[in-house]
Amino acid sequence: SQTIHQWPATLVQPVGSPLSLECTVEGTSNPNLYWYRQAAGRGLQLLFYSVGIGQISSEVPQNLSASRPQDRQFILSSKKLLLSDSGFYLCAWMAGSYEQYFGPGTRLTVT
Amino acid sequence: AQSVTQPDIHITVSEGASLELRCNYSYGATPYLFWYVQSPGQGLQLLLKYFSGDTLVQGIKGFEAEFKRSQSSFNLRKPSVHWSDAAEYFCAVGLVDMRFGAGTRLTVKP
Repeated sequence: SQTIHQWPATLVQPVGSPLSLECTVEGTSNPNLYWYRQAAGRGLQLLFYSVGIGQISSEVPQNLSASRPQDRQFILSSKKLLLSDSGFYLCAWMAGSYEQYFGPGTRLTVT
Repeated sequence: AQSVTQPDIHITVSEGASLELRCNYSYGATPYLFWYVQSPGQGLQLLLKYFSGDTLVQGIKGFEAEFKRSQSSFNLRKPSVHWSDAAEYFCAVGLVDMRFGAGTRLTVKP
């Protein structure tokens, strides 16, 4: 069966520090992968998605970037965090039936 | 560009009462529509989806949704709400680049 992992679960970082969130999927090959940010009252904002290794689509111009170095690995990064980057970050993969399966999320607080 | 509007930020219903959560979408072609639920302390889970065919779709946990093209709506319904249905509900449209609504938080009164 398929499993999606995200780490860390929580993170507190100072403004201006770098960020790296990792997401890995097991049990499937060449999945579409997604990064979302969830803020209270704003739903899930699609940040990036990837349909294959090295292929990244950015949805929102911002302080973040994404990379997909391996088939089942998706990384969200920032060189310098802003206060506005605080939020709950969710990784997801898409099955052939277009259903998305979400990871447990990372709660990021920028102080 | 595709988008989803969930007009109700928060809804409170009594246990055993019926429920309808509203969703309106904007999409350039035949929409692919989804409802997800996020329960406290749990991840997002798919309730149901609509691609084509019968406009009334059944999902898990006794939920159903009706696609109405003329109204650009995909409302979620349940005949009798249980306390365990308290959660946040998200409507989504699209395929590869899926768009989610802002969500509706459901509170269930005993």
